[in-house]
Amino acid sequence: SQTIHQWPATLVQPVGSPLSLECTVEGTSNPNLYWYRQAAGRGLQLLFYSVGIGQISSEVPQNLSASRPQDRQFILSSKKLLLSDSGFYLCAWRPPRAEAFFGQGTRLTVV
Amino acid sequence: DAKTTQPPSMDCAEGRAANLPCNHSTISGNEYVYWYRQIHSQGPQYIIHGLKNNETNEMASLIITEDRKSSTLILPHATLRDTAVYYCIVRVEAGSARQLTFGSGTQLTVLP
Repeated sequence: SQTIHQWPATLVQPVGSPLSLECTVEGTSNPNLYWYRQAAGRGLQLLFYSVGIGQISSEVPQNLSASRPQDRQFILSSKKLLLSDSGFYLCAWRPPRAEAFFGQGTRLTVV
Repeated sequence: DAKTTQPPSMDCAEGRAANLPCNHSTISGNEYVYWYRQIHSQGPQYIIHGLKNNETNEMASLIITEDRKSSTLILPHATLRDTAVYYCIVRVEAGSARQLTFGSGTQLTVLP
């Protein structure tokens, strides 16, 4: 069966520090992968999506970047975190012609 | 992508049916209506989707109007664990990777 793993669950980082959030999918190949951010009390904002290895599309300009070094691995990064980067980050994947599956999310607090 | 509008919040008594509306007046003929929910501090969970016929599964029922401009998600017997934000989105079933956008959703609070 297909599963999606996202870690860590919570993270507290100082301003200016780097960030690396990892997401992996099991049980499928060549999935469409997504990174979302959710600010408190607001809906999901699509940050990046990827249709294959090395293929990244950015939805909004920001302090973050994404990479897909392997077929089932999607990484969200930042070189220097800002206070405004705090939020709930979600990784998702969607098989063709099917609903999306989400990871459990990472609560990032930048202090 | 067709946009959706939902009320920001709703309350429902435990054991009663919860009816969550969604307007999607600009929906295209090949776009489906999808519903997800997000319990606090967890990832969203798929509930149900449909094109034009009413749909039912173990979680909920989806009623789509004949003109497809609106729909209602029905939780027949709401429980406290159904308290969550419910998202209505529209997209083609086999659409591009980009077509997965969420709005603000409806915060459903089930009251004891």
